[in-house]
Amino acid sequence: NAGVTQTPKFQVLKTGQSMTLQCAQDMNHEYMSWYRQDPGMGLRLIHYSVGAGITDQGEVPNGYNVSRSTTEDFPLRLLSAAPSQTSVYFCASSFYGQPQHFGDGTRLSIL
Amino acid sequence: AQTVTQSQPEMSVQEAETVTLSCTYDTSENNYYLFWYKQPPSRQMILVIRQEAYKQQNATENRFSVNFQKAAKSFSLKISDSQLGDTAMYFCAFMMPRASGTYKYIFGTGTRLKVLA
Repeated sequence: NAGVTQTPKFQVLKTGQSMTLQCAQDMNHEYMSWYRQDPGMGLRLIHYSVGAGITDQGEVPNGYNVSRSTTEDFPLRLLSAAPSQTSVYFCASSFYGQPQHFGDGTRLSIL
Repeated sequence: AQTVTQSQPEMSVQEAETVTLSCTYDTSENNYYLFWYKQPPSRQMILVIRQEAYKQQNATENRFSVNFQKAAKSFSLKISDSQLGDTAMYFCAFMMPRASGTYKYIFGTGTRLKVLA
């Protein structure tokens, strides 16, 4: 079992560029979510999904898009990168009521 | 809106002593789940302990235990016999069911714990 796999681990972008952070899980979890963690701060929920075809916004969704076409994958898209999106991004998955399994994070820098 | 509050941004404790980290949350639901996670400098998120709201008994995992006060909406974490390896950021998390039938997880802002030798 690979658990939750995030790619890439590191990325540097220029302002205005777009990119997709990949997240895949092999545990058949229905719930998947994306968080950002800024220095010295907690995890803020960006978007989440309770199953294929179902997504919803978290507390900081602006500038990000998601889709959930399969149970396994939950990519996060930055449409036009801004320096304020410099952060560490975590993907997580779980069954209902169970603790979330986290990926190792993606460190993203926007210049 | 933030529904999980960790009021202690930083704490320190002497090695072998006991420390309690506080967490409060807000919900009108009756069935939900609460978690404590540890994030060491490696940045990995590690589950420490889990509590189901319908269970009155407080969860315990070795040196870690919780004091779950459902009426007060409080979920504190007690670490006994603190070890240097317990130095980390600790996050309280709440699985929030919603009236629509969906649910989401919300995390507190974290408490940075330093264990002193």
